[in-house]
Amino acid sequence: GAVVSQHPSRVICKSGTSVKIECRSLDFQATTMFWYRQFPKQSLMLMATSNEGSKATYEQGVEKDKFLINHASLTLSTLTVTSAHPEDSSFYICSARPRLSYNEQFFGPGTRLTVL
Amino acid sequence: AQSVTQPDIHITVSEGASLELRCNYSYGATPYLFWYVQSPGQGLQLLLKYFSGDTLVQGIKGFEAEFKRSQSSFNLRKPSVHWSDAAEYFCAVGSAAGNKLTFGGGTRVLVKP
Repeated sequence: GAVVSQHPSRVICKSGTSVKIECRSLDFQATTMFWYRQFPKQSLMLMATSNEGSKATYEQGVEKDKFLINHASLTLSTLTVTSAHPEDSSFYICSARPRLSYNEQFFGPGTRLTVL
Repeated sequence: AQSVTQPDIHITVSEGASLELRCNYSYGATPYLFWYVQSPGQGLQLLLKYFSGDTLVQGIKGFEAEFKRSQSSFNLRKPSVHWSDAAEYFCAVGSAAGNKLTFGGGTRVLVKP
């Protein structure tokens, strides 16, 4: 149980285009989903927290107009990188917290974004 | 603010030898502590967690960790490592409010044959 999927696993796009990454909790309902960014050989940095049906809360320094997060249902959150640039290239990981869970998050396998 | 320090960036260990990964945290209240493992290009897998109770917690894959409040530590151990244990290990601390996890910088474990 407690499986989280991400799609796509890899994406390559041209500079200036937008890319959407999906995060799904497959066998549980997630009231909260988190989006992290990981640069090579570095730790995970929390970008934003999304709660189902409400606006995402962004961490300091994260541009909310650039990284659009939608958490439309209890099993799906999306991250859209708008007008992507090479510096947005990174590994994006989502996690989901089950409805009745204290602080436990289940992580997706990540999405490798490369912007040319 | 909560923070996590993993003092060792890299550790190399021989297969069959014991492993200990250090983790120190800073948090004002009772912390929720986690150890995760990440294989290259993959997401994170939970090894074990500590919320309360017995300070020695058992996890998957033969790992265990001990919470020491006096030392603000939550070190991860394994008595005998296998080649498949080569990966990046992250310690994380969470709040009782159930929101953010703060991760340490990670420790990369290399296993020699």
